[in-house]
Amino acid sequence: GQQLNQSPQSMFIQEGEDVSMNCTSSSIFNTWLWYKQDPGEGPVLLIALYKAGELTSNGRLTAQFGITRKDSFLNISASIPSDVGIYFCAGQLTGANNLFFGTGTRLTVIP
Amino acid sequence: DVKVTQSSRYLVKRTGEKVFLECVQDMDHENMFWYRQDPGLGLRLIYFSYDVKMKEKGDIPEGYSVSREKKERFSLILESASTNQTSMYLCASSLNLFGYTFGSGTRLTVV
Repeated sequence: GQQLNQSPQSMFIQEGEDVSMNCTSSSIFNTWLWYKQDPGEGPVLLIALYKAGELTSNGRLTAQFGITRKDSFLNISASIPSDVGIYFCAGQLTGANNLFFGTGTRLTVIP
Repeated sequence: DVKVTQSSRYLVKRTGEKVFLECVQDMDHENMFWYRQDPGLGLRLIYFSYDVKMKEKGDIPEGYSVSREKKERFSLILESASTNQTSMYLCASSLNLFGYTFGSGTRLTVV
């Protein structure tokens, strides 16, 4: 299956700091999505991106669909304790009937 | 809100047992998926189904089978559980590729 590599694998940050994470692939994707998994729960969709170069915000979250279509970035501004969790990127390949998920970035916010 | 319900949050089974993981969704979604989540590996697709009695292998189907006799229910079966199947299992349903709704997960331990 497709490998989506997320970086970093984990992050420890102080409350109030900004966060950046990214997702890369060797394949070209049509769609990129970002999910967040709270402890003990399933992932929930945060942002969806549909075309190369697209920049989309959802509150303090901003995500970008890379120009090469092989990568995507997620930024969180002014982190708060409830940002804690695992963030997954996901992508759709042309003709595929399912999403491929990344390896995840575990975020810890220190109050 | 769409609800995806997984029958057990925690399960402990013995090696060689037949294990059933049940998933029910209440929004008449065509598509249902089973993923396993392991640290550092992200979410890996085991099987998916986009209609009753239809199933497709994902990236890691070995050791698993599935059943979809009714639209709302998608079962994952471990024919003979092994310790390397100890993992978090996540079920999801969707109308399309961009609206996955996940259950809360079943943490399976095989001893």
